[in-house]
Parts: sequence; structure tokens; C-alpha cells
Amino acid sequence: GENVEQHPSTLSVQEGDSAVIKCTYSDSASNYFPWYKQELGKRPQLIIDIRSNVGEKKDQRIAVTLNKTAKHFSLHITETQPEDSAVYFCAASKGAGSYQLTFGKGTKLSVIP
Amino acid sequence: NAGVTQTPKFQVLKTGQSMTLQCAQDMNHEYMSWYRQDPGMGLRLIHYSVGAGITDQGEVPNGYNVSRSTTEDFPLRLLSAAPSQTSVYFCASSPLANSPLHFGNGTRLTVT
Repeated sequence: GENVEQHPSTLSVQEGDSAVIKCTYSDSASNYFPWYKQELGKRPQLIIDIRSNVGEKKDQRIAVTLNKTAKHFSLHITETQPEDSAVYFCAASKGAGSYQLTFGKGTKLSVIP
Repeated sequence: NAGVTQTPKFQVLKTGQSMTLQCAQDMNHEYMSWYRQDPGMGLRLIHYSVGAGITDQGEVPNGYNVSRSTTEDFPLRLLSAAPSQTSVYFCASSPLANSPLHFGNGTRLTVT
């Protein structure tokens, strides 16, 4: 089955700096890669997603890149703000055209004012 | 739309007790799923359903049962609670394959 590895598990950055979180996946048939943000005590919420026919996608300060050959994808947050502090999860679809998602173990991002 | 609604928000059980976690969605989503979240383990899939009358096992199904009699509801049953089932449980739905999951607010379960 699909295996998703996420690094680092914790990340501290100064306010205004950039943050990068990386994930690798094992199933070459996976074609959907969402990222979720979870604030303390809250539910995970989608922040950005990418499909396998696209190499990069941006939404304001957030971007995701996908390298299908190497089977890895990354989340980039620029100009970090204290409200970016949260746990971030990457996920990959279990094969092509699947409803199922396999999640990474999460990255706790702390933005220091 | 209320989205995905989970009840209860908190529950304490004793070992061996049974209970049902409720999940309902009003978005007419075909796909519904249950995840458990444990510290350092991410979100792990317990059971899922791609439509009324259809259910299947996920990564960690042991000790749990599900049914899907309607599009809207997808309850999760704990047959005989164990301390290892102490966790936060999330129900999630989506309308299509390869589309975002919509999560409920979660149920925090403690088994003593």
C-alpha cells in the first residue's frame, strides 16, 4: 500500500522567514496530493492541493511543488506569520482515481515573533 | 450547510463498553471515512464508504464496525472498548475521487 514519509517532524522559523516541509510517497500511481493545516484542538483544513499533471501551484504565500519522477512533493510558506503556527499534514491518494488518502505523520511549525 | 457533523465531542468509556460515534454530512458526498489521530502518528484510516450500502476496511479496522444505510450518515461502532482505542476520531467526506476531504470537528474518546 501507499506509504507517505514527512519531514521534518518539527520546524521553528523566525517571523518573515520561509518554511519548507517535504513528503515522499511510494505508489507511483498516486495522482492527488493535498496539504492540511491543523490548529490546536481543531479539525484539519485543506490549504492547498496539487494533481499529478501539474508541477507547481501557488496561492498567495503558499506553494506546493511536485516531482513525480522522484516521488516527492513539498510545501513552501513564504513570509511566515505567527498565525501560520500549526501542524501541517501532507497526503497522497492511494493509487489513481482513489478516494482514499494516506497521510504523513505531520510537521509542527512554530513561527517565532 | 452544516458540513460534517460529529457527535459527541467528548466521551469517556470503561474497558469493555460499547458505543457509537455519529457522523452526518449534508453535502450529498458519496465518500465518507473515519480516521483516528494519535500523537506522532498522523491520521490513520479506520473504515470508509464509497456510497450507501458499501463499506470497506482501512489501515486500522480492528475493533471497529461501520454501516452506511444512507448517503448522509456513517456511524462508527466500538464493539468492546480498549485503552488502545483512546484517541481523537475524525469523520471526513468528499464528493469525488481525488478531491479534498471535509473533516468534522472530531470526537475525543478516552477509554479507562
